[in-house]
Amino acid sequence: AQSVTQPDIHITVSEGASLELRCNYSYGATPYLFWYVQSPGQGLQLLLKYFSGDTLVQGIKGFEAEFKRSQSSFNLRKPSVHWSDAAEYFCAVAPTDSWGKFQFGAGTQVVVTP
Amino acid sequence: SAVISQKPSRDICQRGTSLTIQCQVDSQVTMMFWYRQQPGQSLTLIATANQGSEATYESGFVIDKFPISRPNLTFSTLTVSNMSPEDSSIYLCSGVDSTQNTEAFFGQGTRLTVV
Repeated sequence: AQSVTQPDIHITVSEGASLELRCNYSYGATPYLFWYVQSPGQGLQLLLKYFSGDTLVQGIKGFEAEFKRSQSSFNLRKPSVHWSDAAEYFCAVAPTDSWGKFQFGAGTQVVVTP
Repeated sequence: SAVISQKPSRDICQRGTSLTIQCQVDSQVTMMFWYRQQPGQSLTLIATANQGSEATYESGFVIDKFPISRPNLTFSTLTVSNMSPEDSSIYLCSGVDSTQNTEAFFGQGTRLTVV
């Protein structure tokens, strides 16, 4: 069965420290890959996406993600977190033959401490 | 990029009633979708809203409970029928242009509370 796994439900990180959020997927063929952020009471904001090409993808707000085909992973990173990065982060995939039909991971809640 | 206006943004409804949520896109999108986000959960696809025909529902969702309309390329509605407290969720619509696999656009969501 197709699945998207975010192993970490909750992560606490100190402001200024680095952050890495994990995402693994199980699909028949490599899907399109995304990271979205959802702040309290806000809608979904796209951080970055991977369709093809360079496996290191740069996004907004200083985030980057690396696609590793051999590990079926698409982990999100940020070198130095800011208090405003506290939010829920969702990894999502969309099959290339059903563009727009997203399957979301369970989400990772990021808490930033002073 | 497209902007999706979704309304209402929130509502509190009595059980047994129905609520219709509207999504208006400011440009043409070829595909539109509806998602549900239950409290503390991730987003789950409810259905694909097909223009001028019946929506395509995902497993676990049925037309009688979640009737969907899409009369044209830029507008869709989702009705949550005969509501119960278990229907309390955030409902989101999204749109994509399938001719250009670039980005999906999401509405701001409708926060529904059923009492």
